[in-house]
Amino acid sequence: ETGVTQTPRHLVMGMTNKKSLKCEQHLGHNAMYWYKQSAKKPLELMFVYNFKEQTENNSVPSRFSPECPNSSHLFLHLHTLQPEDSALYLCASSQETSGGSYEQYFGPGTRLTVT
Amino acid sequence: EDKVVQSPLSLVVHEGDTVTLNCSYEVTNFRSLLWYKQEKKAPTFLFMLTSSGIEKKSGRLSSILDKKELSSILNITATQTGDSAIYLCAVGGATNKLIFGTGTLLAVQP
Repeated sequence: ETGVTQTPRHLVMGMTNKKSLKCEQHLGHNAMYWYKQSAKKPLELMFVYNFKEQTENNSVPSRFSPECPNSSHLFLHLHTLQPEDSALYLCASSQETSGGSYEQYFGPGTRLTVT
Repeated sequence: EDKVVQSPLSLVVHEGDTVTLNCSYEVTNFRSLLWYKQEKKAPTFLFMLTSSGIEKKSGRLSSILDKKELSSILNITATQTGDSAIYLCAVGGATNKLIFGTGTLLAVQP
């Protein structure tokens, strides 16, 4: 039990579909993150939310749209994705941001395949 | 540009061996270095090292931060098959980001 849950665990979608990934943290943290993990590449930070406010958008294409309704929930809305977007999408949370002063705890990820 | 480099990229050892994984970094205004273990999906947190805590130990795992050399090592003694995983190093700096390395894939054979 990592304290961070993600659904769905696996997702296959066509390029014209719209889907959403969900993340929930049960750790009382104030910061949440979306990462993309592709084979043989470092984890790529996509978005950061601190106290529900987006503090980082790491040049992510607009076909990825995050939403953070409260400090415990984070969504990633997907639309018109490309095959190269296929990857493991990881959610993480930490007490707050501040440049790595707090360790991040990760969810199990969503394995996304775009056909 | 901030970067984190891990070596080796992969490593195969036998149970009982001792391994040393390396992480070097170039990060503006270094704050912390973190080690994670990733077995199947979620990276799990192992250690965080900072200027005020340059050595950490938990069971057979230990880590040291060398701020002068801008690097860290992760040691695993008496390895077991359950230690097989990808070990990720991440560094926090001036921005609200953790910069990750590509990881070291460790395979421990019986």
